[in-house]
Amino acid sequence: SQELEQSPQSLIVQEGKNLTINCTSSKTLYGLYWYKQKYGEGLIFLMMLQKGGEEKSHEKITAKLDEKKQQSSLHITASQPSHAGIYLCGADIAYAGGTSYGKLTFGQGTILTVHP
Amino acid sequence: EAGVVQSPRYKIIEKKQPVAFWCNPISGHNTLYWYLQNLGQGPELLIRYENEEAVDDSQLPKDRFSAERLKGVDSTLKIQPAELGDSAVYLCASSLSGTGSYEQYFGPGTRLTVT
Repeated sequence: SQELEQSPQSLIVQEGKNLTINCTSSKTLYGLYWYKQKYGEGLIFLMMLQKGGEEKSHEKITAKLDEKKQQSSLHITASQPSHAGIYLCGADIAYAGGTSYGKLTFGQGTILTVHP
Repeated sequence: EAGVVQSPRYKIIEKKQPVAFWCNPISGHNTLYWYLQNLGQGPELLIRYENEEAVDDSQLPKDRFSAERLKGVDSTLKIQPAELGDSAVYLCASSLSGTGSYEQYFGPGTRLTVT
């Protein structure tokens, strides 16, 4: 979707390295969702962010939503081969009045490869 | 708790043939989504149901695609006739609306190949 851009498109890291994936929206977000997908499988929910400046963590994965609610980053600390997969951000774009459209627009995904 | 179930997992058909996909959402989830995912892309919403009602079908190509969710539980997505460009993964997801969150649970998808 042109409304939502993810970067980088792919990332190859050595096990133990930190990495960051970015998601930028052209519109103000009501909420931002991070998912992980393994090839041939469905999406697995990771985290949801709704408040500007919010930060959430789960195990070694941290996600932040900036104050303007138009950009989010996903940071993985000390990456492991189990982190490999496709990371997708999904945007719940806000109406002009600030309410939700009630649906998600997804980025094109970031393919993460972690070499042992 | 069982997750979102989809069948079949894989389908190969010739162009111009019909095809149908089935989805059973997580028990109690009133919102059901059908997405199309092309290789190297994120999912794109085709249709969203709130119970039996299709509340957003603006992206569904209605000349060849149809969907139904008759009893507000499981759903079927149909393509008739299929075209080469329909080759993709069709994902079904469900969520519980009214919570302020659109945390969606996805099925494994149906990979369609049209030859």
